Amino acid sequence: DVKVTQSSRYLVKRTGEKVFLECVQDMDHENMFWYRQDPGLGLRLIYFSYDVKMKEKGDIPEGYSVSREKKERFSLILESASTNQTSMYLCASSSPPGQGANVLTFGAGSRLTVL
Amino acid sequence: GENVEQHPSTLSVQEGDSAVIKCTYSDSASNYFPWYKQELGKRPQLIIDIRSNVGEKKDQRIAVTLNKTAKHFSLHITETQPEDSAVYFCAASKNSGYSTLTFGKGTMLLVSP
Repeated sequence: DVKVTQSSRYLVKRTGEKVFLECVQDMDHENMFWYRQDPGLGLRLIYFSYDVKMKEKGDIPEGYSVSREKKERFSLILESASTNQTSMYLCASSSPPGQGANVLTFGAGSRLTVL
Repeated sequence: GENVEQHPSTLSVQEGDSAVIKCTYSDSASNYFPWYKQELGKRPQLIIDIRSNVGEKKDQRIAVTLNKTAKHFSLHITETQPEDSAVYFCAASKNSGYSTLTFGKGTMLLVSP
């Protein structure tokens, strides 16, 4: 029944490492998103994509990049992890406007710790 | 861009009481306002949403009201139960084109038996 799958629930990385967070959805959704969740700060949008090969910066893109080579897969990349990127990362997907516009289906989250 | 303020940050009630969480938004063009519930250790899930052509929407014990003039909307939970304990997020967006949801910072609701 799981519709948005994040490959890693828990990761521990060292400062400077390159980190890949993978997200796959099986609902044929066009739109995919990466959010960061920190206590007291809510959900902040890092990057989003409305189509394959397409990406747009969200509110806090610094230090991150993304890749969307296939419709069902959206990857978040930390080129050089830093301790201030320790956080919970949530992937989400949705249908385009007119088809349940903006109703997000979230993955279970990936908790990243950078030492 | 859009800015969503949410209050209170924490809310403790006794089982059976009502709970109200309030949000304000800044962009008068926003017209879609969902509420997500995140139980401890779980993913956020949509519980109710409202669009700007409607002033109130109810679904059993939960309701959402919208005041477009004042740019605020609220979540009302009646007859609270311990399983209502969770973090609740409000959000706002324009329901067109490539708009995205802007979330509030969340409210932790604790319902004591």
